[in-house]
Amino acid sequence: NAGVTQTPKFRVLKTGQSMTLLCAQDMNHEYMYWYRQDPGMGLRLIHYSVGEGTTAKGEVPDGYNVSRLKKQNFLLGLESAAPSQTSVYFCASSSPREFGETQYFGPGTRLLVL
Amino acid sequence: AQSVTQLGSHVSVSEGALVLLRCNYSSSVPPYLFWYVQYPNQGLQLLLKYTSAATLVKGINGFEAEFKKSETSFHLTKPSAHMSDAAEYFCAVNSNTDKLIFGTGTRLQVFP
Repeated sequence: NAGVTQTPKFRVLKTGQSMTLLCAQDMNHEYMYWYRQDPGMGLRLIHYSVGEGTTAKGEVPDGYNVSRLKKQNFLLGLESAAPSQTSVYFCASSSPREFGETQYFGPGTRLLVL
Repeated sequence: AQSVTQLGSHVSVSEGALVLLRCNYSSSVPPYLFWYVQYPNQGLQLLLKYTSAATLVKGINGFEAEFKKSETSFHLTKPSAHMSDAAEYFCAVNSNTDKLIFGTGTRLQVFP
């Protein structure tokens, strides 16, 4: 039982390049989330999904797209990377049985945009 | 709207001393409240959560937090700090939505 995994762990991009971050969970959770973590700003929600085939915008969605084609996977895409997207990205998942359900986090992807 | 404020971005204590990390929340409905811990170069893991049962919540590694509605607070405490407690701690609130709102975090340093 791996929990939540993220690929890749670290990536360097040049401005304007594109990339996709992959999140996978094996807990059969309905809900999945993408956050970015920046110093002094805590975690901010980028996009989230409440089930296969659904996505919704979070607090900071601009410059990112997501897809949830399979229940266990949640992809985060950067179409044209900018230095402002240098950050640590975390994926999380949870069960929707109640709003107090715990979110389980992946280990993070560290992205540097030059 | 819901929000979380963590007072103090950095807290330093000596090993064996009391740990107190402060969290105040804003919510228009009874909230669910969480404390997560992040060790260096790792993801977040749940320390404890309040879901409207007992107001004093015990978590892992000897931490506990008390929900005080009158003060809109959910402060995290541990009677005796250990070197292994050095990490970043995040308070979060969920007010009957699909989303968690996180505070900006408090970095705890423990000195020998």
